[in-house]
Parts: sequence; C-alpha cells; structure tokens
Amino acid sequence: GAGVSQSPRYKVAKRGQDVALRCDPISGHVSLFWYQQALGQGPEFLTYFQNEAQLDKSGLPSDRFFAERPEGSVSTLKIQRTQQEDSAVYLCASSLSGTGFYNEQFFGPGTRLTVL
Amino acid sequence: AQSVTQLDSHVSVSEGTPVLLRCNYSSSYSPSLFWYVQHPNKGLQLLLKYTSAATLVKGINGFEAEFKKSETSFHLTKPSAHMSDAAEYFCVVTDMYSGGGADGLTFGKGTHLIIQP
Repeated sequence: GAGVSQSPRYKVAKRGQDVALRCDPISGHVSLFWYQQALGQGPEFLTYFQNEAQLDKSGLPSDRFFAERPEGSVSTLKIQRTQQEDSAVYLCASSLSGTGFYNEQFFGPGTRLTVL
Repeated sequence: AQSVTQLDSHVSVSEGTPVLLRCNYSSSYSPSLFWYVQHPNKGLQLLLKYTSAATLVKGINGFEAEFKKSETSFHLTKPSAHMSDAAEYFCVVTDMYSGGGADGLTFGKGTHLIIQP
C-alpha cells in the first residue's frame, strides 16, 4: 500500500528564494505533522493539522514559514525568502486519528532542502 | 515540558552480539515513549512504543525496550545484532498533557548504530 510521499526529494535554493514542499499523507489519515531535521540532529516539531485545521504551529521558527492543508489531505510547507539556516530535511508524518500519541505516526522519506 | 537524552551518539557492536541503546527522558506527566529507526534515504519507522501498559515492550525485528520509571529510562535492546540493523535510532517522548506540539513528538538527537562484520 502507499505510504506517505513527499516531493521534491531534494531541493536546492538560492538564498532569498521561496520554496514549496509537498506532502501526500496516507489516504484517510486525519492528522498530519511537519518536522524539521537538521544535520546530525533529531527531528523537531513544526506544525500539526487535524483535517484542514492547523491546530498547532508553535514549532514554526519564523513568520517566513507557512503551512496549509486546504482540503484535509495534501499539505504544503512554504518557506519564504529562504536563509542558509533553513537547510535541513523536512519530514512529513500522518496518523489515522486526531489523538496522535495513541496512533503510530507514519513518516515520509523527507525533502532535503539546501540553501546556498 | 518533556525532553529526551540519548546517551551515546554512536554505538558499534559486532554482528551476533547484543545491542544496547540508552535513553533517558524527562516528563512532567505520564509519558508515552517510542523508538524509531531511520535507514538512509528511508522514512522513520516505528520500532516499538510504551503507553502505560506493560513495562517491557516488544517491537519489530527482535528489538525490545523496558520502561523504568524510577530511573526515567527506556533503553532499547536486541539479543543478537544483524548487519541490517545498522541505522540511526531515535528515542522519542510525548506527554499526554504537554499542551504543546499537539501530540507532536520530542526526539532525541539519535544514536548511530554500527554493526561490525
């Protein structure tokens, strides 16, 4: 069966460019999470959706980061005016239920963003 | 607030010998604890999880972990390492009442497991 997919897998951007990262969760999964994983570190929480509602965006590092999930399925993480410190792997995860910690989060392969 | 500390950034064992990856956690309330594995160019995969049921948790691929509240530990073990176990392992905590991250997970920094032939 299809898992969580992310595109592109790799993205190189020049500093100041805007980027958009896409996540296709497992069909029917209510919850969707975005994480940022810097080199040599564990993933860090960015934001959380339950269906189309963004219930928590406390982990977004600045107002240059914006996420949406307009129809409650596919999600896009947008980074405006990219900076070198934005270079990281961006991971998307989905889970079946809104009560995430009772339900396994399934992770996509990630998008590796490099800002030059 | 919740946090997790993985005590070793790298662990090297010989194939066929036991594996021990150490994890200590901090949580204000009742934690749920997980171990995830990350193979190169692949998504994170759940190995096992503890959610206040049995303190000894068995996972996939022969891994298990024991929740020890008195020691605030959740170490991952496997009796006999295989070459395919070489990967990055993350200990993860989520706090039911943390209020932050809405069930988002707090990851440790990871332990790189190396298997020597």
